[in-house]
Amino acid sequence: EAQVTQNPRYLITVTGKKLTVTCSQNMNHEYMSWYRQDPGLGLRQIYYSMNVEVTDKGDVPEGYKVSRKEKRNFPLILESPSPNQTSLYFCASSLGAPASVAGAFFGQGTRLTVV
Amino acid sequence: QKEVEQNSGPLSVPEGAIASLNCTYSDRGSQSFFWYRQYSGKSPELIMFIYSNGDKEDGRFTAQLNKASQYVSLLIRDSQPSDSATYLCAVGFTGGGNKLTFGTGTQLKVEL
Repeated sequence: EAQVTQNPRYLITVTGKKLTVTCSQNMNHEYMSWYRQDPGLGLRQIYYSMNVEVTDKGDVPEGYKVSRKEKRNFPLILESPSPNQTSLYFCASSLGAPASVAGAFFGQGTRLTVV
Repeated sequence: QKEVEQNSGPLSVPEGAIASLNCTYSDRGSQSFFWYRQYSGKSPELIMFIYSNGDKEDGRFTAQLNKASQYVSLLIRDSQPSDSATYLCAVGFTGGGNKLTFGTGTQLKVEL
């Protein structure tokens, strides 16, 4: 089954404790991205990757890191989480850049709470 | 700042009626337009995309695009309670990372 898998689905952590949210896709997609979704603000792109070892900032990259060492994986790293990073996070992938192909496929989401 | 605007709703329609969801966008260079459906607590799911002016139909769904007016809409015919969800409009910009910019979504409620 074609899918984008995120882990964990739910996470409560404390301020400053480094965490990683994993994302893996099995569709051989080149383009992957991370979004956060907040009430009233919609989905905002954090980082994206056009291919292995190619990553770039989205609209709200502050406080986040990513890496793309393999085509299928695109982890999101919060080196020192803060309460304003409490949000619902989605990983997405697409065959090519999503504006040029039929949109993007989303993972199930990770609800992160930073206390 | 590229913007995508949607009325947050909720939009309430009776079962069997036509639901009309609207979206406007600010960048005239936008080239691709998408509608996603998102159930509460779930991930967005692509339901329609359109690239050219006019209408595109897929089952009960019709996407309409008017680039001159910078307006895209989604019509849902014969609305069902299972259509109750938030509908996200996304606009694609092929420059600057070739990414999608999302609206904040319109909540649709289909009532029995």
